[in-house]
Amino acid sequence: AQSVTQPDIHITVSEGASLELRCNYSYGATPYLFWYVQSPGQGLQLLLKYFSGDTLVQGIKGFEAEFKRSQSSFNLRKPSVHWSDAAEYFCAVGNNAGNMLTFGGGTRLMVKP
Amino acid sequence: DAGITQSPRYKITETGRQVTLMCHQTWSHSYMFWYRQDLGHGLRLIYYSAAADITDKGEVPDGYVVSRSKTENFPLTLESATRSQTSVYFCASSAGTSLYGYTFGSGTRLTVV
Repeated sequence: AQSVTQPDIHITVSEGASLELRCNYSYGATPYLFWYVQSPGQGLQLLLKYFSGDTLVQGIKGFEAEFKRSQSSFNLRKPSVHWSDAAEYFCAVGNNAGNMLTFGGGTRLMVKP
Repeated sequence: DAGITQSPRYKITETGRQVTLMCHQTWSHSYMFWYRQDLGHGLRLIYYSAAADITDKGEVPDGYVVSRSKTENFPLTLESATRSQTSVYFCASSAGTSLYGYTFGSGTRLTVV
């Protein structure tokens, strides 16, 4: 069965600082990986996704993520955080049949002025 | 107005009552999903549907019933609500498999008293 672990429940960074959110997955085949963001009281919005090819993927809002097969990781990064990035971030893995996304528990990001 | 809409946004019901959460999408997406979001568990898949009249169980289907007589609607029914079903429920849709990424509704916050 596929699973996703986000080790950090909360992260606080200063505005303008760099950000890295960790994601580790477990899946037997080549994974399809996603990062979603959820603002308070809202649904989830897709930030980026990885299927194959270049292991560094670019997303919206200046985010990027790097797939590392040897570490079973798909960490999300941003070089300079803005106050509007404060939200909850979810990593997800999709199965090959494409009918199921499994989400991690989420990381809540707080941004200090 | 295009998009995916959930209703109601908030619902309080009593233990043992039947309650139906509505989900409507205007894109004619073939796939639709119901997730519940609970603190510490992230999002867990309840049911999904690949097309009209085709539904299948997800990770936590017990106590829930779904139907999909029309492509655009995917209601979720709690046949006899229990306190453990207090949660935030999200509906999502996708043009195809999870590889396309999901579009989420804004959620329904359900409280069972």
